[in-house]
Amino acid sequence: QKEVEQNSGPLSVPEGAIASLNCTYSDRGSQSFFWYRQYSGKSPELIMSIYSNGDKEDGRFTAQLNKASQYVSLLIRDSQPSDSATYLCAVSGTYKYIFGTGTRLKVLA
Amino acid sequence: EAGVTQFPSHSVIEKGQTVTLRCDPISGHDNLYWYRRVMGKEIKFLLHFVKESKQDESGMPNNRFLAERTGGTYSTLKVQPAELEDSGVYFCASSQQGALGTEAFFGQGTRLTVV
Repeated sequence: QKEVEQNSGPLSVPEGAIASLNCTYSDRGSQSFFWYRQYSGKSPELIMSIYSNGDKEDGRFTAQLNKASQYVSLLIRDSQPSDSATYLCAVSGTYKYIFGTGTRLKVLA
Repeated sequence: EAGVTQFPSHSVIEKGQTVTLRCDPISGHDNLYWYRRVMGKEIKFLLHFVKESKQDESGMPNNRFLAERTGGTYSTLKVQPAELEDSGVYFCASSQQGALGTEAFFGQGTRLTVV
């Protein structure tokens, strides 16, 4: 079992819709959770971090964490073509980040 | 403020040659990480420095890889001799010293191609 699992996609959503990206992790001791966005050929860019159960909202982005289910998700409201990228889930227990393979999101105009 | 800087951005070398990658972290960041992404795979942890000390090098694939961070500033990652399977994108990231959950900021990466 991989330590951090994501569906590789592509996930295609129409412009203006809600995109839902999911991630599960295996280490119950994980304490920090991050979503990075990576455009093709570019470096990962941090978009959200979440540390406690529940929802965290930042603009069009909402991160959701459920430690009991070992599940973290990212919702993107009013998706735009510019949101098309690979979204990486990263989990940290200490200082080491463990990444999932990423989910490729395509927002169709 | 300058971000994490890596160079070269691209490197093409022949099997058996040596390559050295460099990373300049964000000023003041004690934590420095190296990661690698091989085509089609996830970004994998290689090692972690706290200042000049190796905190965790559990991800280093073998002894052909040598990382240094003399003086606790920039870091180098040397691959000697390079093999075909070393091809990939090598990312460096840095974060401030502190409590759990400090966000890491990534450099643009070095795309290494071994032919």
